Amino acid sequence: DAGVIQSPRHEVTEMGQEVTLRCKPISGHNSLFWYRQTMMRGLELLIYFNNNVPIDDSGMPEDRFSAKMPNASFSTLKIQPSEPRDSAVYFCASSGAGSLADTQYFGPGTRLTVL
Amino acid sequence: KNEVEQSPQNLTAQEGEFITINCSYSVGISALHWLQQHPGGGIVSLFMLSSGKKKHGRLIATINIQEKHSSLHITASHPRDSAVYICAVSSNTGTASKLTFGTGTRLQVTL
Repeated sequence: DAGVIQSPRHEVTEMGQEVTLRCKPISGHNSLFWYRQTMMRGLELLIYFNNNVPIDDSGMPEDRFSAKMPNASFSTLKIQPSEPRDSAVYFCASSGAGSLADTQYFGPGTRLTVL
Repeated sequence: KNEVEQSPQNLTAQEGEFITINCSYSVGISALHWLQQHPGGGIVSLFMLSSGKKKHGRLIATINIQEKHSSLHITASHPRDSAVYICAVSSNTGTASKLTFGTGTRLQVTL
């Protein structure tokens, strides 16, 4: 299995631009998680999906952030408009069962820099 | 006070030493996770446990639910164990679940 796939691996953009991060979970997994990691705040859970349905988006920082999971093999995290404080590494993870208590498999992350 | 506290923040050990990293939490949990983040940034889930003890190779994780404390032990440490180790707890808050992370312990194992 290829593991969790994220794209792009690196993204540099200017303030105000729209950014779309992509994630392909492990085949057969029915839970998907988006995380953000910064030096100041460490790892934070932004949102997670069970069976393509958003379960908890309380970690999404503000309305500029949105996430979708149109099918079991694809999810996007969009930031519009982007701001310099959004610069971080964004991780996607998936697990085989619908609970935060289950083992998660992480993608390699997308390093976002907003200038 | 953070809901999840790790100690120490930084740890340097010589190859072969026995290492212990601690995690304390203040909420009721459904499970506790130990993650490893390598210098390249990749994150690997090492353990998920809700009681007792788990072992995988040279790594051992224990949890004491009554004391709200978990430890991660590394026996016969090796330079390739150098990484950041992160404790996270999953807890239920009403109808939702929540995952809270510690700030990590940076381990450096030298020859």
